[in-house]
This record gives sequence, C-alpha cells and structure tokens, in this order.
Amino acid sequence: DAGITQSPRHKVTETGTPVTLRCHQTENHRYMYWYRQDPGHGLRLIHYSYGVKDTDKGEVSDGYSVSRSKTEDFLLTLESATSSQTSVYFCAISGRGAGDEQFFGPGTRLTVL
Amino acid sequence: AQSVSQHNHHVILSEAASLELGCNYSYGGTVNLFWYVQYPGQHLQLLLKYFSGDPLVKGIKGFEAEFIKSKFSFNLRKPSVQWSDTAEYFCAVRSNTGKLIFGQGTTLQVKP
Repeated sequence: DAGITQSPRHKVTETGTPVTLRCHQTENHRYMYWYRQDPGHGLRLIHYSYGVKDTDKGEVSDGYSVSRSKTEDFLLTLESATSSQTSVYFCAISGRGAGDEQFFGPGTRLTVL
Repeated sequence: AQSVSQHNHHVILSEAASLELGCNYSYGGTVNLFWYVQYPGQHLQLLLKYFSGDPLVKGIKGFEAEFIKSKFSFNLRKPSVQWSDTAEYFCAVRSNTGKLIFGQGTTLQVKP
C-alpha cells in the first residue's frame, strides 16, 4: 500500500466550528487530492494540489480551503462546519498527474452535529 | 460536462455467479478509464485501468473490463464471484481537464 495516512480517522464536531483534516504521504508524489464520499454520489473532488503551494478547486469546493506547505502534507480546512459536510473524506496521491493512477488514504469520517 | 454513469446501484449475486457491472462515460475524446474497489470499511484500491492498446484489460483478483469506444462503455466482469468480492465498485474516467470523475458506485453483495 502507498504510504498515505490521514488524521484524525474519526471526528465529531459541532456546527460552526472550524475543522482541519490532515493528509500525510511518504511517497514524495507531486499531486494530492481531497475527495468526499457520500451515498449516491460516489467520490467528488473538493480541492487538489499539483505542487507545494499550488492548489486548485474541484467540483465541490465551497466551504473548504486547503494548504500545502510541504510535499508530504495536504491540509483540508472546513472554515465553519455545517451538517451538510458530514461525510467521509479521502485523500489521494498520484505521481504523474490526475490521469495517472491515484492511491487513496484510509479516510476520515466526519460528523457535524 | 463530462460524466460517468453506473447503472447498477445495488447487485446481489450468489457465489459462483458471473458478474458484469456497467459503466458509461460521456467524453468523446481520448480517455483513461479505471475501476476501483472499496471493501467494507476500507479505502479505494485500483482493480484495473485502461490507457490504450488492447481494449480487454485484465486486473487483479480475476477481474477484467472491456473498453468499447463506440458504446462509450467500460464494463467490469468476473466469471465467478466469491463472497470476498462483496464491496463497492467505482468506475472513473480521466476528464479533459485532467481530473478523475467517478461514477456513483455499485454495491455488490455476494451471498455464500
């Protein structure tokens, strides 16, 4: 398995609080992604990064921000969590671009009450 | 906008039955296609991928998929399923923006 870890693995928080999820990789891959997985929607891209300090929006980026200050870490922040952001969040990495195979982390289950 | 459609949302089979999961995509240009599997409580893992060449692609665990360009399809097949194949299966296509677009997923339940 690719060296990808996510923290925390589970989190329960309250509406209106900020939340930061961390993705850490040991593969030195250039590209990193954040997805959310919801029943009936598959995986939807939130944000992605194509290098340190280089990020861009995906299809469901509203309410989320990201940062990448080091190759190995990609942070996802929910600025003010809402119940609609209750989901499972997956980080993924790839070496040569979005069209290449992506390797997924174990996921973070977030519940916003 | 590009899209990926998986028509079977929930499939129930008995062990040893044959499996075919449908996947259709909307993009007409050059495509890269993937099938991922997610076992209960686990992360997504790549089953197989198609970039070019032989349209019949073989993957891990006895799975295969056939790319039919004229039908914009990339169906997943396995001749004989096992209980351990119980999982959720996702088709994905590389879009013309370079990003992966996933289908909604198909839940496969194999009865022993």
